[in-house]
Amino acid sequence: AQSVSQHNHHVILSEAASLELGCNYSYGGTVNLFWYVQYPGQHLQLLLKYFSGDPLVKGIKGFEAEFIKSKFSFNLRKPSVQWSDTAEYFCAVRTYGQNFVFGPGTRLSVLP
Amino acid sequence: ETGVTQSPTHLIKTRGQQVTLRCSSQSGHNTVSWYQQALGQGPQFIFQYYREEENGRGNFPPRFSGLQFPNYSSELNVNALELDDSALYLCASSAGQGASYEQYFGPGTRLTVT
Repeated sequence: AQSVSQHNHHVILSEAASLELGCNYSYGGTVNLFWYVQYPGQHLQLLLKYFSGDPLVKGIKGFEAEFIKSKFSFNLRKPSVQWSDTAEYFCAVRTYGQNFVFGPGTRLSVLP
Repeated sequence: ETGVTQSPTHLIKTRGQQVTLRCSSQSGHNTVSWYQQALGQGPQFIFQYYREEENGRGNFPPRFSGLQFPNYSSELNVNALELDDSALYLCASSAGQGASYEQYFGPGTRLTVT
């Protein structure tokens, strides 16, 4: 069965620091990869997604993620975080004919 | 354009009881997926409905069942509630069943089983 792991449970950064959240999945075939974000008191929303092509994908609010097939990874990055980036971040995977599998989430706290 | 709505917001039930949660999909969406999110965990896929038919199911027992109506709204029913069923239940709608269709999530229903 597919599984998704996220390296950190809780990350605390100061504003302007760089961010990298790790995500690894356990499926050797073709995958569709997603990052979702849940801001405090808001719905889950899509941050970015990868289906094929350029392994570096850009999303909303300055986020980007890199798909590294050989490492089964899809890490999320942002060069300079803001206080408003405080949220829970979820990595998710979907393979052909299968359903979404979400990781356990990483809580990001950005200190002003 | 109205987003995905869910009702009720919160619910407290006793072990052994039955519960029905409701979801109205976003306008134009024909696919609804249900997820269970336990505290401190990511959402776990329960099942998906596409044009009123179940179209995929996660690792949940048969006491979790669902319906989708002609207007594409949906219900999640849970029978014989257990304490471990306490969680946030999320509904997501999309314009199609494939992964290329973005899922739009509702605010969730917080179920507490005592």
